[in-house]
Amino acid sequence: AQSVTQPDIHITVSEGASLELRCNYSYGATPYLFWYVQSPGQGLQLLLKYFSGDTLVQGIKGFEAEFKRSQSSFNLRKPSVHWSDAAEYFCAVGTDNAGNMLTFGGGTRLMVKP
Amino acid sequence: KAGVTQTPRYLIKTRGQQVTLSCSPISGHRSVSWYQQTPGQGLQFLFEYFSETQRNKGNFPGRFSGRQFSNSRSEMNVSTLELGDSALYLCASQKQGRDTQYFGPGTRLTVL
Repeated sequence: AQSVTQPDIHITVSEGASLELRCNYSYGATPYLFWYVQSPGQGLQLLLKYFSGDTLVQGIKGFEAEFKRSQSSFNLRKPSVHWSDAAEYFCAVGTDNAGNMLTFGGGTRLMVKP
Repeated sequence: KAGVTQTPRYLIKTRGQQVTLSCSPISGHRSVSWYQQTPGQGLQFLFEYFSETQRNKGNFPGRFSGRQFSNSRSEMNVSTLELGDSALYLCASQKQGRDTQYFGPGTRLTVL
């Protein structure tokens, strides 16, 4: 079965600073990978996804992520964080063997200092 | 195009009662998945329906059930509610196969 680990439960960055959120997955083959963001009391909004092809994917709101097969990682990055980026971020993995079931990491809560 | 809608948005029930939550997928999407989100367990997959058939089921007791109608709308039901069922229940829809799941705003269920 697949699993996802987000090692950082909380991260605080200053506005304008760069950001990297870590995501590691466990799965024998190439998974589908997603990053979602959740604001308080809201559902999940897709930031970006990787199915195949170019391992560096661009998403909305200036986010990007890089799939590294050798490290089983799919880290999320943003060069300059805005106060409105404060939210909880979830990495998720899907696989052909699991149908449409997504397995989520525990989430990383991002706080942005002014 | 309208997004995924879930009703009601908030619900308060007491232990032992049952509850039905509703999800309307994005037009054209035939797959509907349900997830439970709690502070302790995080986001967990409940089940997925495609063309009115349950295709996949997570590790939840039989008190949790669902169905899908011919118009792809889906409902989930929780019987004999327990305090631990208090959670945000999220519905997601997708077209089919390798595709993105789009999430609704969720239904916040509180069991007293």
